[in-house]
Amino acid sequence: QGQLQESGQGLVKPSQTLSLTCTVSGASISSGAYYWTWVRQHPGRGLEWIGYIYNNESTYYNPSLGSRVTISGDASKNQFSLNLRSVTAADTAVYYCVRSGYYYCDAWGQGTLVTVSA
Amino acid sequence: DIQMTQSPSSVSASVGDRVAITCRASQGIGSWLAWYQQKPGKAPKLLIYGASNLQSGVPSRFSGSRSGTDFTLTISGLQPEDSASYFCQQANSFPYTFGQGTKLEIK
Repeated sequence: QGQLQESGQGLVKPSQTLSLTCTVSGASISSGAYYWTWVRQHPGRGLEWIGYIYNNESTYYNPSLGSRVTISGDASKNQFSLNLRSVTAADTAVYYCVRSGYYYCDAWGQGTLVTVSA
Repeated sequence: DIQMTQSPSSVSASVGDRVAITCRASQGIGSWLAWYQQKPGKAPKLLIYGASNLQSGVPSRFSGSRSGTDFTLTISGLQPEDSASYFCQQANSFPYTFGQGTKLEIK
């Protein structure tokens, strides 16, 4: 069974860049078998799909985040990362890295809370 | 984006009861719908995909159905461990979107 673990900053200042990394075990991010995805959950609210990287090269991002988001992969470490630029308080959320088939999210990291505050 | 409207936002039921949670899509999504269970402080867990297919390891008291753009998650014979929030997700078109969630309390 695949495992995912998020790591990164828990506190980011407004206008700066949020950076998170997901370490994957049990599957290769380069295999083309899965879409490696980021999902976030604002406190007490629903889930928001951020985007994915596939086969360590193809990416797709939620247009609601505009050009602020980048997802990249490091096959040598079997990790993928999220960068979200120019953050505001509205980006405060629990961020999950997720393994997804094309359609559904079948394995999740434990989640990491990122707070945007001065 | 496709909007997913879930109802009710919360429900309370007793052990052994049957509960239905619904999700309505703002446009046709075929059967491209999943249901997730989330317990406090934990990540969501996939329960059902393709509107009615049970994910491996999920108890058979969970079931899903579709009628047009309306989808229903039914839990039969509620157990104490079913206390959680439940979310639907459409996978018909990007960006994938989720319902706002239903909180299930076991009396």
